[in-house]
Amino acid sequence: EAGVTQSPTHLIKTRGQQATLRCSPISGHTSVYWYQQALGLGLQFLLWYDEGEERNRGNFPPRFSGRQFPNYSSELNVNALELEDSALYLCASSATGGATEAFFGQGTRLTVV
Amino acid sequence: AQRVTQPEKLLSVFKGAPVELKCNYSYSGSPELFWYVQYSRQRLQLLLRHISRESIKGFTADLNKGETSFHLKKPFAQEEDSAMYYCALGLSGSARQLTFGSGTQLTVLP
Repeated sequence: EAGVTQSPTHLIKTRGQQATLRCSPISGHTSVYWYQQALGLGLQFLLWYDEGEERNRGNFPPRFSGRQFPNYSSELNVNALELEDSALYLCASSATGGATEAFFGQGTRLTVV
Repeated sequence: AQRVTQPEKLLSVFKGAPVELKCNYSYSGSPELFWYVQYSRQRLQLLLRHISRESIKGFTADLNKGETSFHLKKPFAQEEDSAMYYCALGLSGSARQLTFGSGTQLTVLP
């Protein structure tokens, strides 16, 4: 069974540009979570999508946004990139209905120069 | 607000020695606690969760609500246990939205 896949693996952008990161959940999973792993800050919760709806967001500015498509894949968009947005962005998926395990992707390394 | 604290960034032990990775949490609701592990060049994966009360790869963790702790223990460390370990808190009602600790890098020396 394929795991959570993220693309691209690496992304280099210039300050002020927009970045789009993609995530395909495990087949049958309807929930997608995005986390940011910045150097020295650990893993921080960004966004949670379930059944196409944004269910919760972490303490991040509005320029971090995303969406979930009908096939449950998800996009994370970061507008007006700042240098401190450089980080590893992890996507996780889980099934609904009581499952408590989230499966993580390999991540997208975003570098803002 | 919820918080997870892992006081040790780095921990080194010799092979065969006991190991304990500390985790404390603060949360006013009913917590669900997890340990995730990330081996070198691999993705983050679930090691164990408190509700299962299981032992995985020789590791155990007991939720102590009085001390608000969920320490990870193994009586005899192996070199293959070397990895980054994260303690995580799942909120009641949305257990898969996790609050992570900053992680402990465990190195098991030969």
